[in-house]
Amino acid sequence: DSGVTQTPKHLITATGQRVTLRCSPRSGDLSVYWYQQSLDQGLQFLIQYYNGEERAKGNILERFSAQQFPDLHSELNLSSLELGDSALYFCASSVAGPGNSPLHFGNGTRLTVT
Amino acid sequence: AQKITQTQPGMFVQEKEAVTLDCTYDTSDPSYGLFWYKQPSSGEMIFLIYQGSYDQQNATEGRYSLNFQKARKSANLVISASQLGDSAMYFCAMREARDDKIIFGKGTRLHILP
Repeated sequence: DSGVTQTPKHLITATGQRVTLRCSPRSGDLSVYWYQQSLDQGLQFLIQYYNGEERAKGNILERFSAQQFPDLHSELNLSSLELGDSALYFCASSVAGPGNSPLHFGNGTRLTVT
Repeated sequence: AQKITQTQPGMFVQEKEAVTLDCTYDTSDPSYGLFWYKQPSSGEMIFLIYQGSYDQQNATEGRYSLNFQKARKSANLVISASQLGDSAMYFCAMREARDDKIIFGKGTRLHILP
C-alpha cells in the first residue's frame, strides 16, 4: 500500500459530462502529481501541485483543471468529456519538489466515457 | 522532443535469467534523477530504483540494479535471476532539477517464461 488514496476506482460517464477525481497524498507528502495513462500508453504528465500551489504543468487540456486544498488533498476536474478522455488517471505524491524523492502512486481512477 | 526513450516495446525472457531493460534520456540539465517503475497487470505503479546524476555508484535495490552510463545518457535496469512475478510493464522516468515534472518513457512489457 503506497499510502496514496484515489477515489473513485472506476467511473463511467457519458460524453459532455463533468467528473471530479479525488486524491489524498501520503501523510507528510506536500507534492501531488496527476498523470493520464491511455490504453497501452505511457504516463502523460498533466499537472503538479506543491503545498497548495501549482508548480508544473504538462499536456493538460483546457477542459481539465486541478487544485490542491489546504489539507493537501487534490482534485482533478474533467469537463466536456470526450471518448478520447477514457483512460486511467493516476495521482502520485512525494515528500517535496526537486530531489530524489520518488513518486508514490495511488491505484488510479479508471474513467470510461461512453 | 522525447526525453525518455525505451526502445524495447516487449521482451520475453526465460525464468531465472538476468534481464536488461534499456532506457536512454536527453537533458541539458546537469542535475537530474532517473527512476524505474513497475506496473503489473493489476495496474498499480511500483517504485523500484533511483539514480541521481551525481551519484558515483550505480544504484542497487535487491535484485534490481541500474546500469548508469552518464556519457551515453543511458540508465538501463538490470533484473537478476528473473521470476514469474517480474512479468509486468516497466517504465523509466526522469526528473530535471530545474523543474518538478517527472517524465516517463513509453515502457517495456516484460514477459517471464517458465
